[in-house]
Amino acid sequence: DAEITQSPRHKITETGRQVTLACHQTWNHNNMFWYRQDLGHGLRLIHYSYGVQDTNKGEVSDGYSVSRSNTEDLPLTLESAASSQTSVYFCASSGVQRTDTQYFGPGTRLTVL
Amino acid sequence: AQKITQTQPGMFVQEKEAVTLDCTYDTSDPSYGLFWYKQPSSGEMIFLIYQGSYDQQNATEGRYSLNFQKARKSANLVISASQLGDSAMYFCAMREGVGGTDKLIFGTGTRLQVFP
Repeated sequence: DAEITQSPRHKITETGRQVTLACHQTWNHNNMFWYRQDLGHGLRLIHYSYGVQDTNKGEVSDGYSVSRSNTEDLPLTLESAASSQTSVYFCASSGVQRTDTQYFGPGTRLTVL
Repeated sequence: AQKITQTQPGMFVQEKEAVTLDCTYDTSDPSYGLFWYKQPSSGEMIFLIYQGSYDQQNATEGRYSLNFQKARKSANLVISASQLGDSAMYFCAMREGVGGTDKLIFGTGTRLQVFP
């Protein structure tokens, strides 16, 4: 069965370190998204990609970057982790039809000390 | 202005009863889609139901139905015959635009608790 996976599932890091969160999908979806979830804010879009070599900034992109070198993967990098980036991160993917829903990975809980 | 508003931070319902979770949206785009997701305590996001702006009928998926009132810009989720396993956070989301490439905008969620 097709799926979307994230790793690691839990990560503790220190302020100032670079951190990369992995996202891998086997749906063969063109569209991939990264969200963060914080209490009281729901899910907020960080970055998204409509295909290989395409990346776009979302609502809360400062301090984050992504790259898309193939269809399956969209890694999210925190260039210099800050305590404000402590959150749960979700990766999602979708097809290109109007009715296509976004399928979510299991999430990564990141703590920045 | 908030694009998606969920005004109920928490709701309680007794098992086997129906419950309505409210969602209002704001868009000037004539083509949009509305989604509901469930997030149980385990954390994953589970897609429940979809309603397109041009769909003539309200969407239904098993015990879930979407009460779509376009003029009021509301897309309330109705869960019939609640079960204890329905206890979770529920998020309403909107996608503007024609293609599936457009991103989702989420509300802040409603926590539903089902009691025996």
